Amino acid sequence: DVKVTQSSRYLVKRTGEKVFLECVQDMDHENMFWYRQDPGLGLRLIYFSYDVKMKEKGDIPEGYSVSREKKERFSLILESASTNQTSMYLCASRVQVFNQPQHFGDGTRLSIL
Amino acid sequence: AQKVTQAQTEISVVEKEDVTLDCVYETRDTTYYLFWYKQPPSGELVFLIRRNSFDEQNEISGRYSWNFQKSTSSFNFTITASQVVDSAVYFCALSEANRDDKIIFGKGTRLHILP
Repeated sequence: DVKVTQSSRYLVKRTGEKVFLECVQDMDHENMFWYRQDPGLGLRLIYFSYDVKMKEKGDIPEGYSVSREKKERFSLILESASTNQTSMYLCASRVQVFNQPQHFGDGTRLSIL
Repeated sequence: AQKVTQAQTEISVVEKEDVTLDCVYETRDTTYYLFWYKQPPSGELVFLIRRNSFDEQNEISGRYSWNFQKSTSSFNFTITASQVVDSAVYFCALSEANRDDKIIFGKGTRLHILP
């Protein structure tokens, strides 16, 4: 079974802080993704990574950056957290084979005060 | 442009009733894939099924069944004899063959199964 682990289930930070959300997968998947999920808006893609040190902007990258130094780990960084970044963040990974499904972590519920 | 519409934002049914969750999609590709995911209260999205555009056979897995109809661009999901554990948000999603790194999700349907 694929295991995608997000470092925190709940996180509370203050406006202006630099915030790191970590995601680790144990299946040697090439592709990894970060989404945010908000009521009424569904899932929106922030960034994704094809492979180590490769990254692509998703639909809403503003205010975020990512890091993929090792294949199993994909970090989402909020450079200077703002209250509108309060949300549920979901990490996913998948093998780079034609249209395979993404596998998701449990999510991190982030509150910015 | 690709789009996935789940018109039902919230549904409540009494346990043991059957319930169908609707999904309508738009794409210009002739080759594409459709997915359903379940998100229980714990938060993790759980993959349920993947279907490619060339396979219109209906699929049944236990109490779950899926009806794919290209003519109406729909990929509906039916739960038979619903149980309280089926309470969750269900997402339908689409990925196109030429951009299979991206999945377009619908906004989800929140399903309440009442005891």
